[in-house]
Amino acid sequence: GAVVSQHPSRVICKSGTSVKIECRSLDFQATTMFWYRQFPKQSLMLMATSNEGSKATYEQGVEKDKFLINHASLTLSTLTVTSAHPEDSSFYICSAESGTDTQYFGPGTRLTVL
Amino acid sequence: AQSVAQPEDQVNVAEGNPLTVKCTYSVSGNPYLFWYVQYPNRGLQFLLKYITGDNLVKGSYGFEAEFNKSQTSFHLKKPSALVSDSALYFCAVSPPSGGSYIPTFGRGTSLIVHP
Repeated sequence: GAVVSQHPSRVICKSGTSVKIECRSLDFQATTMFWYRQFPKQSLMLMATSNEGSKATYEQGVEKDKFLINHASLTLSTLTVTSAHPEDSSFYICSAESGTDTQYFGPGTRLTVL
Repeated sequence: AQSVAQPEDQVNVAEGNPLTVKCTYSVSGNPYLFWYVQYPNRGLQFLLKYITGDNLVKGSYGFEAEFNKSQTSFHLKKPSALVSDSALYFCAVSPPSGGSYIPTFGRGTSLIVHP
């Protein structure tokens, strides 16, 4: 149980385009989902916390207009990287809280912006 | 504010030998403590957690961790390492909360198990 999926697993796009990443909790309802960014050989950096049906809470330094988060249902949250640039290239990971004080993580999405 | 320290960037151990990955934390009150493992180009997998109760917590894949309140540590251990255990390990801590929580992650320790 407690499986989280992400789609796509890998995406390559041109600079200036927008990319949407989906995060789904497959076998549980997640009232809260989290979006992280991970740079090579570094820890996870929390970008934002999203609660179903309300606006996401962004961490300091994360641009709200650039990283749009939508948590439309108890099983789906999306992260849209708008007008992507090469510096946005990174590994993006979502997680979902199952109501048991434990986060379960998706497999991650490797974004490469050319 | 809570914090987590993983003092070793890398741990090397021979297959079959016991392994320890260290973690110390700082948090107000009684902590929730977690260990996650990350394989290359993958998300994090939950290994184990300590919330309350027995200080020795057993988790997935034969791993265990011991909560030591006096030393504010939560070291990850395994009696006999496997080559397949080679991965990046993250310790995380969060303050106790009745609702949603936001854990703080350590910077990770790369475990390399040699055949």
